[in-house]
Amino acid sequence: DQQVKQNSPSLSVQEGRISILNCDYTNSMFDYFLWYKKYPAEGPTFLISISSIKDKNEDGRFTVFLNKSAKHLSLHIVPSQPGDSAVYFCAARAETSGSRLTFGEGTQLTVNP
Amino acid sequence: DTGVSQDPRHKITKRGQNVTFRCDPISEHNRLYWYRQTLGQGPEFLTYFQNEAQLEKSRLLSDRFSAERPKGSFSTLEIQRTEQGDSAMYLCASSGLALYQETQYFGPGTRLLVL
Repeated sequence: DQQVKQNSPSLSVQEGRISILNCDYTNSMFDYFLWYKKYPAEGPTFLISISSIKDKNEDGRFTVFLNKSAKHLSLHIVPSQPGDSAVYFCAARAETSGSRLTFGEGTQLTVNP
Repeated sequence: DTGVSQDPRHKITKRGQNVTFRCDPISEHNRLYWYRQTLGQGPEFLTYFQNEAQLEKSRLLSDRFSAERPKGSFSTLEIQRTEQGDSAMYLCASSGLALYQETQYFGPGTRLLVL
């Protein structure tokens, strides 16, 4: 039962352009969503989060959008930089299920110079 | 650096041996989590502590796995009688307790290879 899905295993964009990473979820009890970036042989690094009471959160080049009716969230990176190349995971938490995070499978982003 | 630290970073062991990993959370964080990540997958939740109390365990945590956080600071994860299927990256994370402190911050992980 994959409650959080990232349907694109990979994405390639040109430097300076926008990167859009997508994530879908099935559990309507999820109330808090996060994006993490992961380099090989390192732990996930927190990027940005959004509560279910909001539909947008912005931090510098990163913006997360939440569409609760569609059970969909996306991460926009503008402008994309070669250093952004990494695996991006979306994660979700349901307060009623304790503090565990449920992760998607990840999307490998490659930003070409 | 006051981030989450894990030790060792890498561990190679033979099937049937016991292994123990350590995690030191961010010092002011009350909550500590263990996750496991296999190739091509996202991290999967194993267990979590609030202070020294183990409050939640995943069904992934078989009876060969045990985790402790005796003084509410560092935590250990032990795997007994390791199997090849235990090969994975074991990740530790910590977070605060109060509202708006709930973001989980991860350590670098311990990569386990069972031969």
